Amino acid sequence: GAGVSQSPSNKVTEKGKDVELRCDPISGHTALYWYRQSLGQGLEFLIYFQGNSAPDKSGLPSDRFSAERTGGSVSTLTIQRTQQEDSAVYLCASRPRIPGQVNSPLHFGNGTRLTVT
Amino acid sequence: QKEVEQDPGPLSVPEGAIVSLNCTYSNSAFQYFMWYRQYSRKGPELLMYTYSSGNKEDGRFTAQVDKSSKYISLFIRDSQPSDSATYLCAMSAYNYGQNFVFGPGTRLSVLP
Repeated sequence: GAGVSQSPSNKVTEKGKDVELRCDPISGHTALYWYRQSLGQGLEFLIYFQGNSAPDKSGLPSDRFSAERTGGSVSTLTIQRTQQEDSAVYLCASRPRIPGQVNSPLHFGNGTRLTVT
Repeated sequence: QKEVEQDPGPLSVPEGAIVSLNCTYSNSAFQYFMWYRQYSRKGPELLMYTYSSGNKEDGRFTAQVDKSSKYISLFIRDSQPSDSATYLCAMSAYNYGQNFVFGPGTRLSVLP
């Protein structure tokens, strides 16, 4: 079946511009995550959506970052007034809730490679 | 001390070798363990996940968990050049919450 889809795959923008990154999770997956991966660095948690609950925004690095998830499916990560330090790969992941299991693994998209010049 | 430690490598082995990749962790609340493989310019791909101590096997891959030592391993048998990638361990507590913690990844090269 279709995996997690992210667009665009690459984005080059000028410092100070706003960017929107899109994530289409796997159909039926109730949880959606955004992570950031910088060159040579591990995965940095940004934000988490679970069903209709309020999102966990504890990982957002500044108020220039925001995200929304419409209709419990597609999510958009917005970065306002981009800075060069925002250059990274932004990864989206989704996760199902499996009856009878106490947890389930994340399934990742291929990411959006953001370059701020 | 970081919650999850993983040797970043790079690790180079000849084709056909047995590869051992390891992570240690400090939080005893972690009960759910995953291994991901990430090729260059791709997202992490789930290889294996397990809840319990002991071994779990899937083809050439074996995941091993030792909760008493807070130590997990991934073994790759008969390694192939196509196994060349970065391997990430990840772990979480027993719930559907947010808290997944990832190791920094080990870069593996399997030489033909």
